[in-house]
Amino acid sequence: TQLLEQSPQFLSIQEGENLTVYCNSSSVFSSLQWYRQEPGEGPVLLVTVVTGGEVKKLKRLTFQFGDARKDSSLHITAAQPGDTGLYLCAGVSAGGTSYGKLTFGQGTILTVHP
Amino acid sequence: GAGVSQSPRYKVAKRGQDVALRCDPISGHVSLFWYQQALGQGPEFLTYFQNEAQLDKSGLPSDRFFAERPEGSVSTLKIQRTQQEDSAVYLCASSFWTGAPYNEQFFGPGTRLTVL
Repeated sequence: TQLLEQSPQFLSIQEGENLTVYCNSSSVFSSLQWYRQEPGEGPVLLVTVVTGGEVKKLKRLTFQFGDARKDSSLHITAAQPGDTGLYLCAGVSAGGTSYGKLTFGQGTILTVHP
Repeated sequence: GAGVSQSPRYKVAKRGQDVALRCDPISGHVSLFWYQQALGQGPEFLTYFQNEAQLDKSGLPSDRFFAERPEGSVSTLKIQRTQQEDSAVYLCASSFWTGAPYNEQFFGPGTRLTVL
């Protein structure tokens, strides 16, 4: 069974602070994705990382994929209240009959206070 | 809009009742997934369709859960004899099967099921 461990589970910070969320896998997926979910809505894709050591930036968000492709991190610089939400990492499975199936971590609930 | 829609958005059922949850994927999307999300947790995979074929149902928790997509578009997730542990948000996602690793799934808003 492939598992994704995400930490921390909860994060409460002040506006302007930096933060990092971690995602560790027991095995290798074909790629790893980060999603953000707002209350009452489905998850929305932020980024996909594929190559070991890959770094992607999306405005104030920086995503890293570990060299062994088993761990990833999401770093937010100068957090804003609009960043509040549930952040999810997900491993993408390839091959067999589950092409594209997602295995999610437990999620990190981020609250940014003004 | 052109996104994934789900209905109903909220469903309250008495223990033992049968429920049916509907998903309208984005037009032309080949792949359709169902996930179950408990409160404060990440979604968990239930089942996967490629067009009308159900290729993976390994995540369905019991034989009370049944899903179909008879014409390769709209899908229905049915839960028979609901139990309290079935209370969760049920998410549907579709994708234009571009294949891993850049497969992007578009999620609906979910159906929140509460079993009393």
